[in-house]
Amino acid sequence: KQEVTQIPAALSVPEGENLVLNCSFTDSAIYNLQWFRQDPGKGLTSLLLIQSSQREQTSGRLNASLDKSSGRSTLYIAASQPGDSATYLCAVENNDMRFGAGTRLTVKP
Amino acid sequence: GAGVSQTPSNKVTEKGKYVELRCDPISGHTALYWYRQSLGQGPEFLIYFQGTGAADDSGLPNDRFFAVRPEGSVSTLKIQRTERGDSAVYLCASSFGSRSGANVLTFGAGSRLTVL
Repeated sequence: KQEVTQIPAALSVPEGENLVLNCSFTDSAIYNLQWFRQDPGKGLTSLLLIQSSQREQTSGRLNASLDKSSGRSTLYIAASQPGDSATYLCAVENNDMRFGAGTRLTVKP
Repeated sequence: GAGVSQTPSNKVTEKGKYVELRCDPISGHTALYWYRQSLGQGPEFLIYFQGTGAADDSGLPNDRFFAVRPEGSVSTLKIQRTERGDSAVYLCASSFGSRSGANVLTFGAGSRLTVL
């Protein structure tokens, strides 16, 4: 059974810092990995999708990498802003889509 | 519609009652997913539809849970004899195409169910 772990569970940084969120998974036979953002009381917004044949994807200040063989992904956020405060979830898809518990990010002005 | 719509946004019910949660996916999306999210946890897969049929219902926790999508668009998640442990946010998502590959899911805002 696929297990997805996200570290840290919570992170607080001052505005402007670069930061890295980590995701690990136990079964490397995946179709893709996605990073989502979830704001309180809201649904999930897809940020980046990395297919199994890819190693990274970039969107604006966000960069996600995938090392399938070691079962790891990182989400790098450059020059963090207070508006980046949210919970970030990674999800891997093989037979179904399994999520980690998320990292709750707070960016302080 | 422009996004995935879920109703009701909040539902409070008593233990033992029957509940229906509705999901209206993005027009043209053939795939529809139901997830359940408990406080402080990531979403947990319940069921996946491709068109009208349930292609994978392995995540449904027991036979009190059932979902339908009779015309391949709107889906209803039905919970019988609700229990306090059913309290969670129920999320619906939809996407084009099949399950694997470059399959970006669009999520609704969720239905928060509280069983007293």
